[in-house]
Amino acid sequence: QVQLQESGPGLVKPSETLSLTCAVSGYSISSGYYWGWIRQPPGKGLEWIGSIYHSGSTYYNPSLKSRVTISVDTSKNQFSLKLSSVTAADTAVYYCASVSGYLDYWGQGTLVTVSS
Amino acid sequence: QSALTQPASVSGSPGQSITISCTGTSSDVGGYNYVSWYQQHPGKAPKLMIYEVSNRPSGVSNRFSGSKSGNTASLTISGLQAEDEADYYCSSYTSSSTWVFGGGTKLTVL
Repeated sequence: QVQLQESGPGLVKPSETLSLTCAVSGYSISSGYYWGWIRQPPGKGLEWIGSIYHSGSTYYNPSLKSRVTISVDTSKNQFSLKLSSVTAADTAVYYCASVSGYLDYWGQGTLVTVSS
Repeated sequence: QSALTQPASVSGSPGQSITISCTGTSSDVGGYNYVSWYQQHPGKAPKLMIYEVSNRPSGVSNRFSGSKSGNTASLTISGLQAEDEADYYCSSYTSSSTWVFGGGTKLTVL
């Protein structure tokens, strides 16, 4: 059973960089799958942020592309999200998920609040 | 990329059937069979209910079914139960090698 767990600061200051990590267990990232990040502002819908293949190929939401970097660390079996120049509009629950034509396994989500 | 279009809310009585639509374009829903549906209860992570238009993951009730016609996909829930009350989101692969979600539909079981 694949399990994902997000971790990172719950509070980030405006203009700084949001950094989250997703630890994967029960499956080796090197074996395949794409791995993705999704976010959900409080009371709103889901938004696709981007995804990465184990080889490092990345695909980003065009609306966030200039601020997003997703990377993978196969030695630690985890992948990461960096979102730069954050504002209050980036306050959301951030989820990581496995992607195989669909999002089959999800992390529990972590709330990140952007505030000074 | 624009979000897929879903009705904001639908409702039905226990035992009835409801259908939630998800409208996109030929660059997403209409162009690929990578349409999936997710159920989300308050405070919980989304759960995959339908993948590749009409397939159910193991453990998902056969009361849930999916279909697609042109640029519009649909999720049907038959024999509504109180536990089905949740938010539902559709998602599709796009021609930009990215993914897009619908705005979400709140299902109320009366």
